[in-house]
Amino acid sequence: DQQVKQNSPSLSVQEGRISILNCDYTNSMFDYFLWYKKYPAEGPTFLISISSIKDKNEDGRFTVFLNKSAKHLSLHIVPSQPGDSAVYFCALGTGNTPLVFGKGTRLSVIA
Amino acid sequence: DVKVTQSSRYLVKRTGEKVFLECVQDMDHENMFWYRQDPGLGLRLIYFSYDVKMKEKGDIPEGYSVSREKKERFSLILESASTNQTSMYLCASSPTDRGVQPQHFGDGTRLSIL
Repeated sequence: DQQVKQNSPSLSVQEGRISILNCDYTNSMFDYFLWYKKYPAEGPTFLISISSIKDKNEDGRFTVFLNKSAKHLSLHIVPSQPGDSAVYFCALGTGNTPLVFGKGTRLSVIA
Repeated sequence: DVKVTQSSRYLVKRTGEKVFLECVQDMDHENMFWYRQDPGLGLRLIYFSYDVKMKEKGDIPEGYSVSREKKERFSLILESASTNQTSMYLCASSPTDRGVQPQHFGDGTRLSIL
């Protein structure tokens, strides 16, 4: 059974609008939450993270929200730009165990 | 900047061949990982290592083995390649510091088994 779910395989957003990518998890032991971005033919690159003691973390146009009671994580991109078009993976961890990745959401930002 | 280098970007091999995928990191990270990425399946962990000479099975180790003789190098071995091992292979490394640390990925090796 999947511990980490990204239920939307794809998302299309108009340039300048907000992109919201979602991630749900089942294991309450996760205490560290990350988002990665992946372009075709490249490895994933780390984007932003949040620990379980916070509910929001911001870095420029990117904000990650954590709702521990709902076991839900989201990434907001405002404003969205064509260069943001990529596959986004959420990844969750605890202690020194390997990260558990979602299956990814392909974001297309339309000019 | 962390650099994770995978020896080949593209590789074509034949069924039954023994295939070696090499990965080197330059940040003295303790932890190294091998994933494969397939459409609709995301990143699946094959093997990982927390130290030299150590290895742990991930979620899909069947048909693979690994070698970590030096801290900076982690090799993935396909013992007898099969067509269902055609995939994008990604290597990653991370330090062992307090708390969870981001993994840094290489650019991947797209492997085709014919």
